[in-house]
Amino acid sequence: AQSVSQHNHHVILSEAASLELGCNYSYGGTVNLFWYVQYPGQHLQLLLKYFSGDPLVKGIKGFEAEFIKSKFSFNLRKPSVQWSDTAEYFCAVTSPGAGSYQLTFGKGTKLSVIP
Amino acid sequence: EPEVTQTPSHQVTQMGQEVILRCVPISNHLYFYWYRQILGQKVEFLVSFYNNEISEKSEIFDDQFSVERPDGSNFTLKIRSTKLEDSAMYFCASSARRAGETQYFGPGTRLLVL
Repeated sequence: AQSVSQHNHHVILSEAASLELGCNYSYGGTVNLFWYVQYPGQHLQLLLKYFSGDPLVKGIKGFEAEFIKSKFSFNLRKPSVQWSDTAEYFCAVTSPGAGSYQLTFGKGTKLSVIP
Repeated sequence: EPEVTQTPSHQVTQMGQEVILRCVPISNHLYFYWYRQILGQKVEFLVSFYNNEISEKSEIFDDQFSVERPDGSNFTLKIRSTKLEDSAMYFCASSARRAGETQYFGPGTRLLVL
């Protein structure tokens, strides 16, 4: 069964600091990869996704993620965070290579940005 | 921008009671999903639904759970006899096509079983 690991439970950064959140998955076949964000009091929203092609994908609000197949990783990055990035970030994976389209989520990383 | 909506936002029920959680997916979407998140734990997949049939379900989705699309707009999750451990946030999602399409989530229903 697919599993997703997010290494950081809670990250605290000052504004303008760079961000990298780790995500690793277990299934070795074809995967679709997602980062969702949940701002306080709001629902899960898509930040970015990778299906195929260029392994460096750009999403909304200046976020990007790099798919490294050999490392089973899909880390999220942002060069300079803002206070408004305070939220919980979830990495999620579907496994179409296994005929499964359910999202398997990581535990989430809470990001707190200090002004 | 079209959104997935869910009602109610909060529901409190007694153990053993039946609850129905309602969702209105995005109007041109064909695939529907339920997920849940127990406090402090991961978001977990429950079930996916397409063309009036369950496509996938997890081990959590046992005989106590059922899903239905009673009309052209609503998608419901029924829990027949709630248990304390069913207390969680339940999220509905929809996607236009299953293969490689983004799932769009509703705001969730927080269910508390007493």
